[in-house]
Amino acid sequence: QVQLVESGGTLVKPGGSLRLSCVASGFTFGDYFMSWIRQAPGKGLEWVSYTSTRTIYYGDSVRGRFTISRDNAKNSLFLQMNSLRVEDSAIYYCARVRTAPNWYFDLWGRGTLVAVSS
Amino acid sequence: EIVLTQYPATLSVSPGEGATLSCRASEDIGSVLAWYQQKLGQAPRLLIYGASTRATGIPARFSGSGSGTEFTLTISTLQSEDSAVYFCQQYDPWSPKFTFGPGTKVDIK
Repeated sequence: QVQLVESGGTLVKPGGSLRLSCVASGFTFGDYFMSWIRQAPGKGLEWVSYTSTRTIYYGDSVRGRFTISRDNAKNSLFLQMNSLRVEDSAIYYCARVRTAPNWYFDLWGRGTLVAVSS
Repeated sequence: EIVLTQYPATLSVSPGEGATLSCRASEDIGSVLAWYQQKLGQAPRLLIYGASTRATGIPARFSGSGSGTEFTLTISTLQSEDSAVYFCQQYDPWSPKFTFGPGTKVDIK
């Protein structure tokens, strides 16, 4: 079955760190760009980061604090989140990226909830 | 930075009617635009990519059109299960970054 399953979300204090994981199954993980996208409660979607095997890009609000990585041997995508802020509270989705000429997300996980609060 | 604007913010329609959702880009983005449906409590689902190509398994009542700065998602013959928020999304290769529109909420009367 083609799917993505996120884990690692929890309640953390401001300034703290957290590592999210996403395990892929049903497709050749290493052949695809992968991304993290987040959604604050009741809000819209915000792209966080994406990676191929050689390139990495971040959104402005997380650059310098978050680090995306992947382990193709374990079909896994990670997001290391440091210096967390209240405004980082959101559901974090892992998504598969389809690239040029049309860049879009064709497979999404169910998400994992991160709450940043004192 | 390319900004996406969606309108209307909310749309209330009766079953069997059609709905037209709009997405406007602040710059010419060609046809690099996707549409997603997000039902309450669920992850987004890809509906349309390349402005007009339906994703696998998406019913024919969903269609996309447009290019440049103006895009439309049309839902013909609305069904109760189409109640959701619909987001448009673009990719700027010069940044590079992805951007989503704020969404249109479709309520079924």
